[in-house]
Amino acid sequence: NAGVTQTPKFQVLKTGQSMTLQCAQDMNHNSMYWYRQDPGMGLRLIYYSASEGTTDKGEVPNGYNVSRLNKREFSLRLESAAPSQTSVYFCASSEVLRGLFSSGRIGSGDTQYFGPGTRLTVL
Amino acid sequence: DQQVKQNSPSLSVQEGRISILNCDYTNSMFDYFLWYKKYPAEGPTFLISISSIKDKNEDGRFTVFLNKSAKHLSLHIVPSQPGDSAVYFCAASAGAWDDMRFGAGTRLTVKP
Repeated sequence: NAGVTQTPKFQVLKTGQSMTLQCAQDMNHNSMYWYRQDPGMGLRLIYYSASEGTTDKGEVPNGYNVSRLNKREFSLRLESAAPSQTSVYFCASSEVLRGLFSSGRIGSGDTQYFGPGTRLTVL
Repeated sequence: DQQVKQNSPSLSVQEGRISILNCDYTNSMFDYFLWYKKYPAEGPTFLISISSIKDKNEDGRFTVFLNKSAKHLSLHIVPSQPGDSAVYFCAASAGAWDDMRFGAGTRLTVKP
C-alpha cells in the first residue's frame, strides 16, 4: 500500500496562475482533508470531504476549491495563485470523520494519515 | 487566534536523557489531544494521544500527560534516541478530525 500520495512534490507559480494539487489514498478511507503549513504556525485545515460526494470548508478556505473525484482522490485547486498561498500543502485521510472519537479509544485503530506534502511557491 | 500553542520552537537533549515537549490550549471544548511526529520531506505521523477522561497515557518510551485545569499537556520521551529527532506537533480536537487544531511544532534534536 502506498498510503496517501500527492503530486507534485514541488511547484513554482507566478501570481495569477492556476494549478491543481492531486491527492490519492489507497486505504479505502471515507474522509479526506487538505491542510496548509506555514512557518510559525500549525497545520490549518483548508477543506475536507467527510465522504464521497461531499466537501466542506475548513479553517482557511478562501482562494481554494476542491473536488472529491471519487473515493480515492481529492484535489485542491488554486484558481488565481497569490504570494500568500506560498506554503506546504498536506493531504490526509481517515476512515471516517468522527468514528475515532465516538469510540472514545483514540489510537485503537483509526487515525489520520498524511501524504508527504507539496511545497508551493508563488512569486 | 491560535488555540493550541507550543511555546518552544526547539529543544535539544542528549541521547539517553528525557525529552519533555509542552503544549497549551485555550479552548475548553477540546476533549482529545494528539501528538504527531514529522520528519523532513514527509507528512506528519500519529504518535500518541489522550482523551480528557485520562490524565496519562503511555506507549513504550512515549508518555503524554494532560492537566485539564491548567489546559496543558506534555509529551515525555524516555530515553531519547537520535532517531527521535523530528518536529513534534501537538493537536487538539473537540470530537472530529475537521475541528482539530495544531500547534506550531517543536523541533527536537537528540544528540548522540
